Amino acid sequence: NAGVMQNPRHLVRRRGQEARLRCSPMKGHSHVYWYRQLPEEGLKFMVYLQKENIIDESGMPKERFSAEFPKEGPSILRIQQVVRGDSAAYFCASSPSGSNSPLHFGNGTRLTVT
Amino acid sequence: SQKIEQNSEALNIQEGKTATLTCNYTNYSPAYLQWYRQDPGRGPVFLLLIRENEKEKRKERLKVTFDTTLKQSLFHITASQPADSATYLCALPMDYGGATNKLIFGTGTLLAVQP
Repeated sequence: NAGVMQNPRHLVRRRGQEARLRCSPMKGHSHVYWYRQLPEEGLKFMVYLQKENIIDESGMPKERFSAEFPKEGPSILRIQQVVRGDSAAYFCASSPSGSNSPLHFGNGTRLTVT
Repeated sequence: SQKIEQNSEALNIQEGKTATLTCNYTNYSPAYLQWYRQDPGRGPVFLLLIRENEKEKRKERLKVTFDTTLKQSLFHITASQPADSATYLCALPMDYGGATNKLIFGTGTLLAVQP
């Protein structure tokens, strides 16, 4: 059973470019969560999605960031016009249900903005 | 809003001893509390979940306690091994009552087990 797959593992972008981070949840999981981890800081919730729906995007910056989880294919976190402050590790997690179950995390995408 | 406090100082112990890590929260008592392990360059891995009506949960060498009066959870690793060296994260549901799996995470405590 494949776990949560994230790609790319490392992504380097220049300021102003777009970053696209992909996440394939565990088989049978329809709930996806994106978290951001800055050095020396904890994981910060960004967005919670179910298939084709954004359930909660309260942790995501209103500008430049968007997320989707289409009916077919992986979940995508898109960051437009990246800035240096976007450099971080972005983790995706999935769960089989919407409550009372642990999160299964991928190994993250490390975004570096130069 | 809910805040989690974990000891930011690294915990160094000798192999074979019991490691005890602390997680304190500041606001309402959560419906459950989870512990994760994170190794450098990897995503967190789920270890244990304890619910508000449970005082203690065990899994092999791991034990978690949950004291809603003290607003605290303790995480114990008995007979620790160098392979247990990692950062351990405490996590609570962001929603009161734990209606969703959205979690708030502590910054973690780095455990180093010396051989």
